[in-house]
Amino acid sequence: SQQGEEDPQALSIQEGENATMNCSYKTSINNLQWYRQNSGRGLVHLILIRSNEREKHSGRLRVTLDTSKKSSSLLITASRAADTASYFCATDAFSNQGGKLIFGQGTELSVKP
Amino acid sequence: NAGVMQNPRHLVRRRGQEARLRCSPMKGHSHVYWYRQLPEEGLKFMVYLQKENIIDESGMPKERFSAEFPKEGPSILRIQQVVRGDSAAYFCASSMRGFQRAFSTDTQYFGPGTRLTVL
Repeated sequence: SQQGEEDPQALSIQEGENATMNCSYKTSINNLQWYRQNSGRGLVHLILIRSNEREKHSGRLRVTLDTSKKSSSLLITASRAADTASYFCATDAFSNQGGKLIFGQGTELSVKP
Repeated sequence: NAGVMQNPRHLVRRRGQEARLRCSPMKGHSHVYWYRQLPEEGLKFMVYLQKENIIDESGMPKERFSAEFPKEGPSILRIQQVVRGDSAAYFCASSMRGFQRAFSTDTQYFGPGTRLTVL
């Protein structure tokens, strides 16, 4: 089964509200990355958090990592219609031969103007 | 600094034909990864390559699929005798990686993808 599982699968909010997406994983990791994908497009890297970090900020994004619970959350504050996209977490497992990422199924975020 | 480039962006093939997908990593990146995304699903890892070496091909189907990353030129994902089930978006990513494991080296940067349709 997939390493990463996102929750919720779909989220619909009004512009200006905050959006929180969660990700759980199964094995020990080197790092966890969040990506955004607009419909029919490629992936845009948002943020990488290492296993020894607990929180990271980038603009309106805040990512937390709890390795004891094997979970991460992505918070988007003051959401905009342009934030509408699918959001994926991806883990770089500690046991990897290399850097392959294991993706979750994604959270589909819809921000209504 | 150009990003990861993939071509073609869209590829249509009939069953039984060959599909050849190309990926040029970001400048300075020597690690390339291929992923496949089926409709309404997340990305699934296929293969990880460094120049002239396949490091991890645990996600590659055993038959019909092959990948290479020659010393010169782009990485190629090749699908022989395509079937309808091969229809998907194929993404390439590249990273720097290396001994120092500095902040940015593990980040994988993705190309725009090649959307393969098998008729």
